[in-house]
Amino acid sequence: GENVEQHPSTLSVQEGDSAVIKCTYSDSASNYFPWYKQELGKRPQLIIDIRSNVGEKKDQRIAVTLNKTAKHFSLHITETQPEDSAVYFCAARANFGNEKLTFGTGTRLTIIP
Amino acid sequence: GAVVSQHPSRVICKSGTSVKIECRSLDFQATTMFWYRQFPKQSLMLMATSNEGSKATYEQGVEKDKFLINHASLTLSTLTVTSAHPEDSSFYICSGDRGVSTEAFFGQGTRLTVV
Repeated sequence: GENVEQHPSTLSVQEGDSAVIKCTYSDSASNYFPWYKQELGKRPQLIIDIRSNVGEKKDQRIAVTLNKTAKHFSLHITETQPEDSAVYFCAARANFGNEKLTFGTGTRLTIIP
Repeated sequence: GAVVSQHPSRVICKSGTSVKIECRSLDFQATTMFWYRQFPKQSLMLMATSNEGSKATYEQGVEKDKFLINHASLTLSTLTVTSAHPEDSSFYICSGDRGVSTEAFFGQGTRLTVV
């Protein structure tokens, strides 16, 4: 089955700086890679996703890059703000729908004012 | 986006009792519902996958007789934790899938505390 590794487990950055979180996956059949932000006691919130036919996707301060050859993808947050502090999870999934998401272990991001 | 409503959001029960958690897809038909468990400071771990009208598929190590899943309709899936014990205390969350989109739609989650 799929195995997703995520690093780092914790990350502290100064407000305004950039944060990068990296994930690797094992199943070459995976073709959908979402990133979630989760605040304490709440559901995961999709912040950006990328499909395997795209190498990079950007949405304002958030971007995701995908390297299918190396089987890794990364989340980039620029101009970080205190409200970006949360736990972030990457995930991977094969095919379209009806397939389970395999989550990474999570990164606790703290933005230092 | 699509909405999955999960209830209750919090429940406290005594050891040995059963607890039912409901997930409803409000504006779409969830052909598949995934049930996850999340312990404090850990990731979401898939417990089981349920498809409407058929038996759920459980992940390795998850007791199917303890965690009963019913997906009787395209808009409702339930998870019943039977004979709950303190070690079952966790955050349980469902995710509905329309089958035509890659995005997963999560319920609000249920914080279960067994005393």
